[in-house]
Amino acid sequence: DSGVTQTPKHLITATGQRVTLRCSPRSGDLSVYWYQQSLDQGLQFLIQYYNGEERAKGNILERFSAQQFPDLHSELNLSSLELGDSALYFCASSRPGQGSGLHGYTFGSGTRLTVV
Amino acid sequence: DQQVKQNSPSLSVQEGRISILNCDYTNSMFDYFLWYKKYPAEGPTFLISISSIKDKNEDGRFTVFLNKSAKHLSLHIVPSQPGDSAVYFCAASGGDNFNKFYFGSGTKLNVKP
Repeated sequence: DSGVTQTPKHLITATGQRVTLRCSPRSGDLSVYWYQQSLDQGLQFLIQYYNGEERAKGNILERFSAQQFPDLHSELNLSSLELGDSALYFCASSRPGQGSGLHGYTFGSGTRLTVV
Repeated sequence: DQQVKQNSPSLSVQEGRISILNCDYTNSMFDYFLWYKKYPAEGPTFLISISSIKDKNEDGRFTVFLNKSAKHLSLHIVPSQPGDSAVYFCAASGGDNFNKFYFGSGTKLNVKP
């Protein structure tokens, strides 16, 4: 158990629907990162939050949004879902000074989203 | 734009031999390079890292080499063990946000007993 909790583990939904993925960071971690891994692809950075504020944005579609709440948990909202959104979505967290460079992040076990 | 590339999707080695996993990057601003290991149904776990001021970092059976002029890094596992069988991702960060990592597509290592 990495200490980063993602729910649900699996999600199957239809095209056009909206889903919310949830992430609870490791205790003491202020930063949350969301990554998407499509089939046979690397992890694509979506967005980073630090202590409730958006810190960096990657290749996140306009149909996707995220936020980090005062208790530091984060939610990734995916709307108007398409078949191509089927992927593994990972959340990771880090603490000040630890996420930098040499220490990386701590990842959760991911949410597998299947859009049918 | 794929800034970090792992050109070998898979690698198979015999137990006890050396495993060499390779990674290339394009952004000369990258300062930090990490390797992650991922088992099925789990998230990636941090394995080893190196900064751009060094060309080698060692941790037990794992050694990472960095060749900045070639924009190339490699992970050596010696000796390889069956428990090392997993997908290995390299990742790099730098510039104005060293918390934002770019990941390669992964190499699936199979260590045969």
